[in-house]
Amino acid sequence: EDQVTQSPEALRLQEGESSSLNCSYTVSGLRGLFWYRQDPGKGPEFLFTLYSAGEEKEKERLKATLTKKESFLHITAPKPEDSATYLCAVNLRDNYGQNFVFGPGTRLSVLP
Amino acid sequence: DAGVIQSPRHEVTEMGQEVTLRCKPISGHNSLFWYRQTMMRGLELLIYFNNNVPIDDSGMPEDRFSAKMPNASFSTLKIQPSEPRDSAVYFCASSLYREAGNTIYFGEGSWLTVV
Repeated sequence: EDQVTQSPEALRLQEGESSSLNCSYTVSGLRGLFWYRQDPGKGPEFLFTLYSAGEEKEKERLKATLTKKESFLHITAPKPEDSATYLCAVNLRDNYGQNFVFGPGTRLSVLP
Repeated sequence: DAGVIQSPRHEVTEMGQEVTLRCKPISGHNSLFWYRQTMMRGLELLIYFNNNVPIDDSGMPEDRFSAKMPNASFSTLKIQPSEPRDSAVYFCASSLYREAGNTIYFGEGSWLTVV
């Protein structure tokens, strides 16, 4: 069964304390891996897409990396405004290419 | 460009009533998705459409749920009759499907409470 897990479930950081979030997947075929940010009361906001192992993407304090079995979202010197739930999703290879499976998310709190 | 637009943002209804949620996808997108999000189960795909045609509705929980997409700019998700366990946030999302890959963009959600 295609599965996406994320760890940790929740993470508390002090402002400026760098860390990483993990997304592990066991799927039959991967078309892409996506990272989203979700603020309370809002819809998920797209951050990155990664398509192949070894690929990296960066945006401000965030960097996403991909291996054959997992992805990491590295947060460098986080600020309180980085507090949110971070979701990863995998786009599976199927007949229509529209099958997205989401992980449960990591709740990040950055304290000033 | 306007994002995915959903209405209503919040709805409180009594058990047994009909609920209709509405979605306007991003202009030019050819795929539309309905997701449900709860604390227990996270984000679950209910149904998706390609070019207004329902492709996969295996995530629709019961016959009480139905979805339509009469044209490229409008979709509805209907629950009839509603039950308390349907309380959740319902997200609509859209994408422009390409062979090389596609990204889905979400609306702000419809918060449903069934009492």
